Amino acid sequence: EDKVVQSPLSLVVHEGDTVTLNCSYEVTNFRSLLWYKQEKKAPTFLFMLTSSGIEKKSGRLSSILDKKELFSILNITATQTGDSAVYLCAVLSSGSARQLTFGSGTQLTVLP
Amino acid sequence: NAGVTQTPKFQVLKTGQSMTLQCAQDMNHEYMSWYRQDPGMGLRLIHYSVGAGITDQGEVPNGYNVSRSTTEDFPLRLLSAAPSQTSVYFCASSYSSGKSAVLTFGAGSRLTVL
Repeated sequence: EDKVVQSPLSLVVHEGDTVTLNCSYEVTNFRSLLWYKQEKKAPTFLFMLTSSGIEKKSGRLSSILDKKELFSILNITATQTGDSAVYLCAVLSSGSARQLTFGSGTQLTVLP
Repeated sequence: NAGVTQTPKFQVLKTGQSMTLQCAQDMNHEYMSWYRQDPGMGLRLIHYSVGAGITDQGEVPNGYNVSRSTTEDFPLRLLSAAPSQTSVYFCASSYSSGKSAVLTFGAGSRLTVL
């Protein structure tokens, strides 16, 4: 059974801090790993990672994948209160359908 | 662009009642799916469809039915609601291959079963 584990489960920081969120996985037929940000409602897409060692970057957010050690990290630098959200990691395995297995998420709270 | 539209946003049911959560997308996505989200458990796949007329079960299909008569619509039916089905439900869609496999989510439907 595919499995995705995120850590920490929750994190409280102050504005300006840098945070690192972790995602480890065990899946058969790995295809890609995705990060989503979820505020009050629908998850919104952040990154999709397919290859090891290639950093994806968008503003203050960046992510990297290690396919040998089966994990990914999501970094957020100079955090802002608007970064407060649940960050979800999901792994896509290849097969007859595009099934994503999600982790339980990391709740990030950024205090002013 | 409407994207993925779910209705209703909120619903309260009594145990044993039936209802349908509606999901429609206007992006011509082949793949559509339903997830439920419970505290501390992330998103779990209920049912999915890779195209009109084709559906299959996900991780937690019991108590739910789906159909896919058109590319645009993918309703989720609760046949006899139970308190264990209290959850937030998300419909999501994507293209069926390549980089466009990124799921686009609807805004969610919060269901409470008393």
